[in-house]
Amino acid sequence: GENVEQHPSTLSVQEGDSAVIKCTYSDSASNYFPWYKQELGKGPQLIIDIRSNVGEKKDQRIAVTLNKTAKHFSLHITETQPEDSAVYFCASSPRQGGKLIFGQGTELSVKP
Amino acid sequence: KAGVTQTPRYLIKTRGQQVTLSCSPISGHRSVSWYQQTPGQGLQFLFEYFSETQRNKGNFPGRFSGRQFSNSRSEMNVSTLELGDSALYLCASSLIAGEVTGELFFGEGSRLTVL
Repeated sequence: GENVEQHPSTLSVQEGDSAVIKCTYSDSASNYFPWYKQELGKGPQLIIDIRSNVGEKKDQRIAVTLNKTAKHFSLHITETQPEDSAVYFCASSPRQGGKLIFGQGTELSVKP
Repeated sequence: KAGVTQTPRYLIKTRGQQVTLSCSPISGHRSVSWYQQTPGQGLQFLFEYFSETQRNKGNFPGRFSGRQFSNSRSEMNVSTLELGDSALYLCASSLIAGEVTGELFFGEGSRLTVL
């Protein structure tokens, strides 16, 4: 069935370092791959997304790469700051409208 | 522009009771989706509504149901509550529905505790 695996489950970095979170999806029909950030007590918020006709997308300190052959996609955060500390979720969308399949989440901690 | 509004934010119920949660999407958004978030299972898709019609349904028992009104507001209902239904229920709205997936804007959720 449809599945998204996300690693690592927890990640601790020093302020200024880079952080990388990796996801693997199972449904080859997936064509939309968003990343969400969830802060304590709040709902997930989209930080970046990529569609299957693009291999890489960058927005300031955040970048996402997609390898459709390997069914992998990754989130890269450079020059991390304490306010980047949160839980990050990857997701994929099978060919069915608004349904997203989420990874299990990565708790990122950025230490000042 | 107001975001997605969910009510109530917190509620406590006992086993066997039923609960109704409400979601008001962002103005102009006609697609509303519901997700269940638990520490063990993560974020799981419940269902999606567009123009008052259920377009997608996740793998949840029939005790979980929903509906959407003509003003795009949505409600979900859980009947015969079980302890395992304790979770954060998240509503998300989107401008796009159908074959193209657009950005989902999430509300802050309704935290349900079943005792």
